[in-house]
Amino acid sequence: QKEVEQNSGPLSVPEGAIASLNCTYSDRGSQSFFWYRQYSGKSPELIMSIYSNGDKEDGRFTAQLNKASQYVSLLIRDSQPSDSATYLCAAYTGKLIFGQGTTLQVKP
Amino acid sequence: KAGVTQTPRYLIKTRGQQVTLSCSPISGHRSVSWYQQTPGQGLQFLFEYFSETQRNKGNFPGRFSGRQFSNSRSEMNVSTLELGDSALYLCASSRQSQSSYNSPLHFGNGTRLTVT
Repeated sequence: QKEVEQNSGPLSVPEGAIASLNCTYSDRGSQSFFWYRQYSGKSPELIMSIYSNGDKEDGRFTAQLNKASQYVSLLIRDSQPSDSATYLCAAYTGKLIFGQGTTLQVKP
Repeated sequence: KAGVTQTPRYLIKTRGQQVTLSCSPISGHRSVSWYQQTPGQGLQFLFEYFSETQRNKGNFPGRFSGRQFSNSRSEMNVSTLELGDSALYLCASSRQSQSSYNSPLHFGNGTRLTVT
């Protein structure tokens, strides 16, 4: 079992819709979680961090954490074609471990 | 403020050779982490250096090594290159060590290594 798992996708949503990206992790001791966005041919860039159960909102992005279910999600409201990228979930388990990433396609 | 700088951007090497990659962190950042990214395995943790000391290491063979200098710049070395070492090598810096679990990583643009 991988330490951080994501559905590789692609996840395709129409412009203006809500995109929901999910991630599960195996280490119950994980303390912090991050979402990175990686455009094709570019390096990952940090979008959100979340450390406690519940929701954290930043503009069109909402990160959700449920430690009991070992589940992290990222919601993108009013999706735009410029949001098309690979989204990487990362969990701190003594070191920062990344999932494989989910490719999001936002169709105009 | 300058970001994380990695050199070179591209490298082509032959099996059996060795290679050294360089990373300059963001000014004021003392932690440098290295990751290997491949289409099949995704982003895999190689090691982290903080204040010139290796703090943590991933599951890579001893052919992969690194070091950090007093100015926080870091180098990664891969000896006896194999075809499977072809990948994008990403360096990331943070102000604090990864053990400060709330210190996010800032990535450089990477070095694309091709082994033939």
